[in-house]
Amino acid sequence: ILNVEQSPQSLHVQEGDSTNFTCSFPSSNFYALHWYRWETAKSPEALFVMTLNGDEKKKGRISATLNTKEGYSYLYIKGSQPEDSATYLCAGHSGAGSYQLTFGKGTKLSVIP
Amino acid sequence: GAVVSQHPSWVICKSGTSVKIECRSLDFQATTMFWYRQFPKQSLMLMATSNEGSKATYEQGVEKDKFLINHASLTLSTLTVTSAHPEDSSFYICSAVRGRPYNEQFFGPGTRLTVL
Repeated sequence: ILNVEQSPQSLHVQEGDSTNFTCSFPSSNFYALHWYRWETAKSPEALFVMTLNGDEKKKGRISATLNTKEGYSYLYIKGSQPEDSATYLCAGHSGAGSYQLTFGKGTKLSVIP
Repeated sequence: GAVVSQHPSWVICKSGTSVKIECRSLDFQATTMFWYRQFPKQSLMLMATSNEGSKATYEQGVEKDKFLINHASLTLSTLTVTSAHPEDSSFYICSAVRGRPYNEQFFGPGTRLTVL
């Protein structure tokens, strides 16, 4: 089982600012990293699945990078908008034969208009 | 695609009663579903793995006789909290696994259980 940590726990930014936050995990026994976006009263929405060291994925204004050697992933939001306000979860996946994910506690982002 | 529903979205019950929560994959088949529980300010914690046509696998510390899981079809898993007590009050959320290679999990919206 991976130990997944996220920082910061919460974050307030002004509309238009860019921001980023971190997910760290043990670099050994790693298979994939998942990022989810979770708005209040909705289902967590899958953003990215990342597997390879150096992976960089992008979806609109949101992008993520992965460093498996040092055990971290960054999520970036460019030009934050109020609708980006949500909790961002990352989850580690330790093996091809297992479906289980280990979640971090999440980073709660609030974008102030 | 990949929509998962969960019902009910919230429930309040008296101590000692049983509560059933349904998790459905609406547009795909899922041989594996997961049940998680989240306490305030904590991570989503995996409770059990639900496999279609076989017994669920429970995580350490989760009582299988208290949290009954049935995965009778490829689109439905149910979690029954039996003889619920106030300490079972929590947020319960399910996910369904759709395909390979990365075993992506798609989540339901969750169920808020309050036991009085």
